[in-house]
Amino acid sequence: GAGVSQTPSNKVTEKGKYVELRCDPISGHTALYWYRQSLGQGPEFLIYFQGTGAADDSGLPNDRFFAVRPEGSVSTLKIQRTERGDSAVYLCASAGGRQETQYFGPGTRLLVL
Amino acid sequence: DAKTTQPPSMDCAEGRAANLPCNHSTISGNEYVYWYRQIHSQGPQYIIHGLKNNETNEMASLIITEDRKSSTLILPHATLRDTAVYYCIVRGVHTGANSKLTFGKGITLSVRP
Repeated sequence: GAGVSQTPSNKVTEKGKYVELRCDPISGHTALYWYRQSLGQGPEFLIYFQGTGAADDSGLPNDRFFAVRPEGSVSTLKIQRTERGDSAVYLCASAGGRQETQYFGPGTRLLVL
Repeated sequence: DAKTTQPPSMDCAEGRAANLPCNHSTISGNEYVYWYRQIHSQGPQYIIHGLKNNETNEMASLIITEDRKSSTLILPHATLRDTAVYYCIVRGVHTGANSKLTFGKGITLSVRP
């Protein structure tokens, strides 16, 4: 079946601009996670949704970052006033079933110039 | 911080078994051992997970020591396409907020022809 998809695959923006990154989870998965991966590092947790609500947003680095999942399916990660340090690969994972094993999408490569 | 330690790199010959070690000496009784891998420029790919017993699937085998303080991921017949960074992760069995993944730096496996 279809896996997790993320759009766009690449995004180039200028410092100070606003960006939105989209995640389409595996159908039926109630849990959704966002991670961020900088070059040479492992992914770092940002936020976790169970259904429509953000159950854990402890990984968001500051208030420029916000994520929503209004209907409990698609999620959007929003970054305001982007900075060069926000450049990274943003990964989305969805999970379902009893053990909630996470399955990742291909990521969105964000470059802030 | 990641609760696992892995050597930074290893290599093996194509067609041979690749045995990837992981130490998780502080693992608690209600934590799984998960393995993911990440091929260059792709999202992490789920491989296998286990709690106490050894596990096998179409991709790999997971051997967990009796005291659960370490484990080994075995790729029985490594191919060039198995060249990747492999992450060993400890994750709580309970779903919800404790299910986020904490990645370390992983081990880079290089399969040589």
